[in-house]
Amino acid sequence: QVQLQESGPGLVKPSETLSLTCTVSGGSVNNYYWSWVRQPPGKGLEWIAYIYSSGSNNYNPSLRSRVTISVDTSKNQVFLKLSSVTTADTAVYYCARTVLYHYYMDVWGEGATVTVS
Amino acid sequence: DIQLTQSPSSLSASVGDRVTITCRASQTISTYLHWYQQKPGKAPKLLIYGGSNLQSGVPSRFSGSGSGTEFTLTISTLQPEDFATYYCQQNYRIPPFTFGPGTKVDIK
Repeated sequence: QVQLQESGPGLVKPSETLSLTCTVSGGSVNNYYWSWVRQPPGKGLEWIAYIYSSGSNNYNPSLRSRVTISVDTSKNQVFLKLSSVTTADTAVYYCARTVLYHYYMDVWGEGATVTVS
Repeated sequence: DIQLTQSPSSLSASVGDRVTITCRASQTISTYLHWYQQKPGKAPKLLIYGGSNLQSGVPSRFSGSGSGTEFTLTISTLQPEDFATYYCQQNYRIPPFTFGPGTKVDIK
């Protein structure tokens, strides 16, 4: 059974770069897209980006200038970097497996809480 | 971007009730519409994909229907564990994937 685990600093200073890792266990990163989705406190869900195991990716236009997504297939890990953060980037950040062609997210990590302060 | 709206934004219901949530898209999205359930402090969980396909392991009291611009999620007989927030998500035209604002179902 595939499991996802997000990890990274829980506190980031304004103007710095937020860095998160999603570690995939019980399965391979190959043949799926992998998305990052965030949820500010008390608010709804916002898709950030996805990446395929080959490295091809897509970004939310509203965040594109600040986001980098990458994958390391040898380590079964997916990475997110968000630069020049502000307090508006405070959120729970989720990693989610995204099914090829259909783009629904069928497996989610438990989320990583990141506070910008 | 394709915008999704959900109605109602919240509802109160009793165990055993039939509950229907509507998701409307700002333009036609065929059946590229998925539904998720989220409980407080937990990650979202996929319920329905492709408008009407029940995800493996999801109870059959959940069903989805619709195409084009209007979609519904129905819980046929509400159970105590169904009190949660429900989100729709589209992937017809990306980027970006977009989510609806959510519908909170709480206890009457």
